[in-house]
Amino acid sequence: KAGVTQTPRYLIKTRGQQVTLSCSPISGHRSVSWYQQTPGQGLQFLFEYFSETQRNKGNFPGRFSGRQFSNSRSEMNVSTLELGDSALYLCASSLLPSLYYEQYFGPGTRLTVT
Amino acid sequence: GENVEQHPSTLSVQEGDSAVIKCTYSDSASNYFPWYKQELGKGPQLIIDIRSNVGEKKDQRIAVTLNKTAKHFSLHITETQPEDSAVYFCAASIVDSGYALNFGKGTSLLVTP
Repeated sequence: KAGVTQTPRYLIKTRGQQVTLSCSPISGHRSVSWYQQTPGQGLQFLFEYFSETQRNKGNFPGRFSGRQFSNSRSEMNVSTLELGDSALYLCASSLLPSLYYEQYFGPGTRLTVT
Repeated sequence: GENVEQHPSTLSVQEGDSAVIKCTYSDSASNYFPWYKQELGKGPQLIIDIRSNVGEKKDQRIAVTLNKTAKHFSLHITETQPEDSAVYFCAASIVDSGYALNFGKGTSLLVTP
């Protein structure tokens, strides 16, 4: 069974631009979560989607948004990029949005903002 | 919100020794405590988890203990091997809150042969 796929794996953007990251969950998984990982702040929860609906949102500004499609694939968007947005963005999927089901992480997208 | 603190930030042990990583949490409502292992270039992988109705759980060389009164939980790895070298994260959450996991800052474990 293929794992969680994230594209692209690496991205370099300029301050002020916007970026869209993509996540394909494990086949059959319907819940997708996004996390930001930085050396200073560690792993921070961004948002969680299930059935195309955002169920939870972390403490991030409105520049961070996401969506989920009917096939469970998800995208996250960051507008007006800032230097501090440089991070590894991780996507995770699970069968259902419950901690009774294991969450599987993808390899991440490394975003560098210059 | 929930605040999870993890210690130590780095840990170096010799192969065969035991390694212990400790975490504390602030929200007494938290009832789910997973541990993740992250290897270089990969996403975190769940290695063991414990729920608040259990005090200890073991899986081969890995064990986790939970003290709800003191709000702390620990990861114990026995007979460490070089392939255990990685960054380990603890997390805390409320089971019915979905997947809004609150992570500790991580412990970089190095096992030297």
